[in-house]
Amino acid sequence: KAGVTQTPRYLIKTRGQQVTLSCSPISGHRSVSWYQQTPGQGLQFLFEYFSETQRNKGNFPGRFSGRQFSNSRSEMNVSTLELGDSALYLCASSLVGPQETQYFGPGTRLLVL
Amino acid sequence: KQEVTQIPAALSVPEGENLVLNCSFTDSAIYNLQWFRQDPGKGLTSLLLIQSSQREQTSGRLNASLDKSSGRSTLYIAASQPGDSATYLCAVNSNNDMRFGAGTRLTVKP
Repeated sequence: KAGVTQTPRYLIKTRGQQVTLSCSPISGHRSVSWYQQTPGQGLQFLFEYFSETQRNKGNFPGRFSGRQFSNSRSEMNVSTLELGDSALYLCASSLVGPQETQYFGPGTRLLVL
Repeated sequence: KQEVTQIPAALSVPEGENLVLNCSFTDSAIYNLQWFRQDPGKGLTSLLLIQSSQREQTSGRLNASLDKSSGRSTLYIAASQPGDSATYLCAVNSNNDMRFGAGTRLTVKP
């Protein structure tokens, strides 16, 4: 069974640009959660999607958005990038939600210059 | 707001030692607690998930306990090996809001 995949693995952008990251969950998993990991703030929850609907949202500005498709694949978008958005972005999938074991992808490392 | 703390921040032990990692949380109204390991630059690997109704979970050399009333969980690693070197994170799920500790960086020396 294939694991969670994230693309791209590495990305370099400049301030003011926008970026889209992609996450393909484990087959059959309908919940996808996104996290931001930085050395200073650690791992922080961004949002969770289930059946194409955003079910939970963390404390991030509106520049961070996401969506989920009918095949459970998810994308997150960050607009008007800031230097502080440089981070490892992780997605995790589970069958129905974070109340179960979550399986993480390898992450997308974003560097904003 | 749930806050999760992990102590110590770093730990170095010789191979073969048994060790305990600690995780504490401020709000006992949790759904579950999950322990992960993270290797440098990589994603997280789930180790153990303890539901709020459970007291402990075991997998191989790993044993995790949960005491909701005191807001504590421990991860016990038996007979540590160099391959256990990684950062260990605990995550507390309260009302589908996952909060992570800062992690304990473990080094097991051969």
